[in-house]
Amino acid sequence: EAGVTQFPSHSVIEKGQTVTLRCDPISGHDNLYWYRRVMGKEIKFLLHFVKESKQDESGMPNNRFLAERTGGTYSTLKVQPAELEDSGVYFCASSQDWGRVGYEQYFGPGTRLTVT
Amino acid sequence: AQSVTQLGSHVSVSEGALVLLRCNYSSSVPPYLFWYVQYPNQGLQLLLKYTTGATLVKGINGFEAEFKKSETSFHLTKPSAHMSDAAEYLCAVTNSGGSNYKLTFGKGTLLTVNP
Repeated sequence: EAGVTQFPSHSVIEKGQTVTLRCDPISGHDNLYWYRRVMGKEIKFLLHFVKESKQDESGMPNNRFLAERTGGTYSTLKVQPAELEDSGVYFCASSQDWGRVGYEQYFGPGTRLTVT
Repeated sequence: AQSVTQLGSHVSVSEGALVLLRCNYSSSVPPYLFWYVQYPNQGLQLLLKYTTGATLVKGINGFEAEFKKSETSFHLTKPSAHMSDAAEYLCAVTNSGGSNYKLTFGKGTLLTVNP
């Protein structure tokens, strides 16, 4: 079974440009999460999808960030325009339906975003 | 609000020595607790989890952790460190009764194993 995949693995862009990160969850996982880790800080929650619906986007930093999950499969996270403080590693995670044993979230390898 | 404190951003042990990584949490409801490990250039891998039931939980690679409600702790241990254990370890908590199992992480502990 394929794990959570993320693309690209690295992205270097200039301030003011746009970047789109992609996450492909494990097949059949309805829950999809985005997290971010800024250097030297803890991993922080950004938002949560259940299928194609946003369940909780309380962690999104501001309206320069837009997440979508068309058809309840893969998800994209767009940053427009990017600022220096957006640099960090963006993780995606997925999990099965609530109520199943474990509540485990499976993480992707992350996308390292550098804004210069 | 929930929070996680990991004491010691960097822990160094000798190969064969006991590994003890500390995690304390704060939660207003019964927590679910997790330890993840991240090797360089890889994603987070779940080591073990506590949801309900037995408070001593065993995970992969010989690790175990004990949930102590009275101490609000979930420390990770391994009797004998191996060189391959060198990695970053992250403790996380989520609500047991919420509608969104988003994880709150600690800042992580980098484990170094010396030969």
